[in-house]
Amino acid sequence: KAGVTQTPRYLIKTRGQQVTLSCSPISGHRSVSWYQQTPGQGLQFLFEYFSETQRNKGNFPGRFSGRQFSNSRSEMNVSTLELGDSALYLCASRSVGGLETQYFGPGTRLLVL
Amino acid sequence: AQTVTQSQPEMSVQEAETVTLSCTYDTSENNYYLFWYKQPPSRQMILVIRQEAYKQQNATENRFSVNFQKAAKSFSLKISDSQLGDTAMYFCAFMNGETSGSRLTFGEGTQLTVNP
Repeated sequence: KAGVTQTPRYLIKTRGQQVTLSCSPISGHRSVSWYQQTPGQGLQFLFEYFSETQRNKGNFPGRFSGRQFSNSRSEMNVSTLELGDSALYLCASRSVGGLETQYFGPGTRLLVL
Repeated sequence: AQTVTQSQPEMSVQEAETVTLSCTYDTSENNYYLFWYKQPPSRQMILVIRQEAYKQQNATENRFSVNFQKAAKSFSLKISDSQLGDTAMYFCAFMNGETSGSRLTFGEGTQLTVNP
């Protein structure tokens, strides 16, 4: 099976812009979670989508949003970018009801200038 | 809220030797899962090993094993016969099994360097 894929891998934006990141889970996985990784805050949970519904949400401002499509692919959007949004954004998928293990994609590195 | 603590920011070991990485966690839940992930310089997060809290037997995966002490809320990772490819940042992570959802809570990480 193909692993979790994320696009784009690298992104440079300027403050005030918005960005959309994409994640395709492992085939058959219906749960997709997003994490932000920064040197200062470490790995933090953003949100989880399951069957096109947001099931969990971390402590992030409303500028961070996401959605999931019927094929389980997920997108996350960050509006009005701030310098502090520069981070590695990781997506993980899980086969709900099976082994409780999340498998991660390679991440998208976002740099906000 | 759950917390995960890794008290060793950096560790180093000689090739072929054994090293143990520490992790403690805090939770009031009884059903949960614990994981060790490694993140090499490529930044790809790779699962190393997992442990279900309801299982008393410690998990093992080839050269990797854990020492799970539920009462002490401790979950250490032992790497035997260390290899250069084991050089990576290692994260301990917790997931609650009582509530639905996939939220992982991560520790701060331990940077492991394997020296030739």
